[in-house]
Amino acid sequence: DAKTTQPNSMESNEEEPVHLPCNHSTISGTDYIHWYRQLPSQGPEYVIHGLTSNVNNRMASLAIAEDRKSSTLILHRATLRDAAVYYCILRDRDSGAGSYQLTFGKGTKLSVIP
Amino acid sequence: ETGVTQTPRHLVMGMTNKKSLKCEQHLGHNAMYWYKQSAKKPLELMFVYNFKEQTENNSVPSRFSPECPNSSHLFLHLHTLQPEDSALYLCASSRGQEAFFGQGTRLTVV
Repeated sequence: DAKTTQPNSMESNEEEPVHLPCNHSTISGTDYIHWYRQLPSQGPEYVIHGLTSNVNNRMASLAIAEDRKSSTLILHRATLRDAAVYYCILRDRDSGAGSYQLTFGKGTKLSVIP
Repeated sequence: ETGVTQTPRHLVMGMTNKKSLKCEQHLGHNAMYWYKQSAKKPLELMFVYNFKEQTENNSVPSRFSPECPNSSHLFLHLHTLQPEDSALYLCASSRGQEAFFGQGTRLTVV
């Protein structure tokens, strides 16, 4: 799996938008961009994924650069419950037929300030 | 609540003990996984099962022995572990482009 680079940590004020960057300059044409987050003392939780177009769901938005070498996870209004480690993961569309293996990095630890 | 349940949540065992971790999901997923999360290290994939067949073993020592009797249940049998095996063990299941993780078993080997 191609490598991603994320800042080790970020801070945000409560109720403000948060933009979490991810660089993936060696991304291949068949790599999906996935985001997961891990709240303290819990397992990781799916946030969003995309291939080329920007994506929105109830949790977040994913903005993908035109050349796909970077992406940004956008939390529109941070709450204290959003404090977590956020992982940006590339997964080859054609890998692991029938299964869904994820290679986690260190992620970005997001702190939300009341 | 993700629909993936792990038991026990916490486990302390001696190096000569034998114990088992259990994972259960009734989401209809056919793929199940064991991950290990050690302090200060990223999550590491250990085993992958697809339709009850093991499809991946990431060079895991034989003191960890997985078992998948059906698509809803996954076990990790532990024996003669070392203190460095102390970690959070996470089970996951998947269908399509999303994985669902349990809350993990916090294992301490003394």
